[in-house]
Amino acid sequence: GAGVSQSPSNKVTEKGKDVELRCDPISGHTALYWYRQRLGQGLEFLIYFQGNSAPDKSGLPSDRFSAERTGESVSTLTIQRTQQEDSAVYLCASSLDRGNTEAFFGQGTRLTVV
Amino acid sequence: AQSVTQLDSQVPVFEEAPVELRCNYSSSVSVYLFWYVQYPNQGLQLLLKYLSGSTLVKGINGFEAEFNKSQTSFHLRKPSVHISDTAEYFCAVSESVGSNYKLTFGKGTLLTVNP
Repeated sequence: GAGVSQSPSNKVTEKGKDVELRCDPISGHTALYWYRQRLGQGLEFLIYFQGNSAPDKSGLPSDRFSAERTGESVSTLTIQRTQQEDSAVYLCASSLDRGNTEAFFGQGTRLTVV
Repeated sequence: AQSVTQLDSQVPVFEEAPVELRCNYSSSVSVYLFWYVQYPNQGLQLLLKYLSGSTLVKGINGFEAEFNKSQTSFHLRKPSVHISDTAEYFCAVSESVGSNYKLTFGKGTLLTVNP
């Protein structure tokens, strides 16, 4: 596609439910990032995928969070047993894995846990 | 491991005043540097980037940034701001990790331009 696509754009879920967020990166982009942005806060790194290398999961806040990516395609971020503090905008970005290229961001998924 | 520090979480200024948003990074290897901007209710977009060559880089909307290797800084400046510059600004560093590159963001600086 022309840009990074995220779905859904908005998600309201009840506390304790599981949610799955999807990211379609730009075709050919080997690097994919997930970030979390709480209201009025900065970007919090969650996880980084690079080709077939083991992902960098150092930013995942708890074992309720997991993410997968098959090859260089779609990625899904799963949050199990959601809590109210999980409410945030979840941003996905992709880039060519050359350090001198910019990352392109999706519009994000706004997650609200009620 | 690299880290990015944006020293000011919020910067309020008056319209037509100059502004500097500070960014420092730590890295043991050569890096590429970026500034991204997020306007209210919009996604992030690239403002400018430093790859090599001249240490002063110019971006969109009249912004510029200067790479200072000795101080490991990449401060963003604009000589005269407009109301429309009100946004969140993020500094980012790309560093090689093995054979790959990893992009790390600072926490962001909220620039508020007042009339």
